[in-house]
Amino acid sequence: NAGVTQTPKFRILKIGQSMTLQCAQDMNHNYMYWYRQDPGMGLKLIYYSVGAGITDKGEVPNGYNVSRSTTEDFPLRLELAAPSQTSVYFCASRTLSNPYEQYFGPGTRLTVT
Amino acid sequence: GQQLNQSPQSMFIQEGEDVSMNCTSSSIFNTWLWYKQDPGEGPVLLIALYKAGELTSNGRLTAQFGITRKDSFLNISASIPSDVGIYFCAGLVRGSQGNLIFGKGTKLSVKP
Repeated sequence: NAGVTQTPKFRILKIGQSMTLQCAQDMNHNYMYWYRQDPGMGLKLIYYSVGAGITDKGEVPNGYNVSRSTTEDFPLRLELAAPSQTSVYFCASRTLSNPYEQYFGPGTRLTVT
Repeated sequence: GQQLNQSPQSMFIQEGEDVSMNCTSSSIFNTWLWYKQDPGEGPVLLIALYKAGELTSNGRLTAQFGITRKDSFLNISASIPSDVGIYFCAGLVRGSQGNLIFGKGTKLSVKP
């Protein structure tokens, strides 16, 4: 099992550019999450999904979009990158039955200049 | 909304020392969780607490669920260099489908 994988590991974007952060899990987890982590701050929930075809907004969804066409994949799209989106992005997943243990990917460090 | 306040923000300790950190909230939580984030990695669950007053251990780590349900404590005994990282408390968001809210973290540095 690879667990939760994220690509790329690092990326630098110019203001206004678009990109997709990839996330995949091979544990057959129903729930998947996208968080951002700013320096000295905890993780803030951007979007989450309870299963293929179902997504919902978290605490800080503005400027992002998601889709969930398969159980395994949960990509995060930034359409018009802004400096405020400079952050480390974590994807996580969990099983249907255990809401407490989320399994996190290694993160994507994004800089927007 | 629900918020979690963690303290201290950071700690510098000598190897072998014990460590204490805590998490408080103005809201009641039914579950408290402690996660650890190693440098350059995602967080990993250390301990989950489900009942007020509960004391749970995981090796050298011990966590307690406060009686008021508004706080939790994490202790690390006899710290070692690999304890370095950021420790986050987390709780279940009320009325959510199992979404978590995280504290800002306590950054632990251990001098060998």
